[in-house]
Amino acid sequence: AQSVAQPEDQVNVAEGNPLTVKCTYSVSGNPYLFWYVQYPNRGLQFLLKYITGDNLVKGSYGFEAEFNKSQTSFHLKKPSALVSDSALYFCAVRSYNTDKLIFGTGTRLQVFP
Amino acid sequence: DTGVSQDPRHKITKRGQNVTFRCDPISEHNRLYWYRQTLGQGPEFLTYFQNEAQLEKSRLLSDRFSAERPKGSFSTLEIQRTEQGDSAMYLCASIDGLAGRPGANVLTFGAGSRLTVL
Repeated sequence: AQSVAQPEDQVNVAEGNPLTVKCTYSVSGNPYLFWYVQYPNRGLQFLLKYITGDNLVKGSYGFEAEFNKSQTSFHLKKPSALVSDSALYFCAVRSYNTDKLIFGTGTRLQVFP
Repeated sequence: DTGVSQDPRHKITKRGQNVTFRCDPISEHNRLYWYRQTLGQGPEFLTYFQNEAQLEKSRLLSDRFSAERPKGSFSTLEIQRTEQGDSAMYLCASIDGLAGRPGANVLTFGAGSRLTVL
């Protein structure tokens, strides 16, 4: 069965500092990995994905994520946080042979000025 | 194309009433998904369609829930005899299921329909 774990309910970071939001996954076969962001009263917005290729993927708004197969992780990173990055972030995974995307419980990112 | 549209955005109902939500996906997307999200949780998969065929339904989904996509375009999600535990945000998403196309593998979500059952 597929599963995703986001171990931190909330991450606090000062503006201008680097940020990391953690995600680990469990899936049979090769994973398709995604990060989405959700602002209040809005749907989920796609940030980036890993399907195949380079382990470091770059996405929207300066975010990037690194796929680590041995640690089954896909942590979201940004070199310099902005207050406007404050939102709820979801990691998601699906196996290559299914069409169902499974989400983690989310991590609230709070960037302080 | 204005993306995935959901209607209504908010619905307040009394316990025991039936409610129906509508989703209009991106026009060229052949797959459509329904998710449910409660406060403090991630989206939970409910069901999905490829064109008009319902291919998978979550085992967690009560028989009171039914979804349709009659012409392979818009979809409806109906909840019969609502209970307070049904209160949640119901999210619809669509995807271009054809491999190799731009946007393949990426779900595009609507803004959601928030249900409050009193």
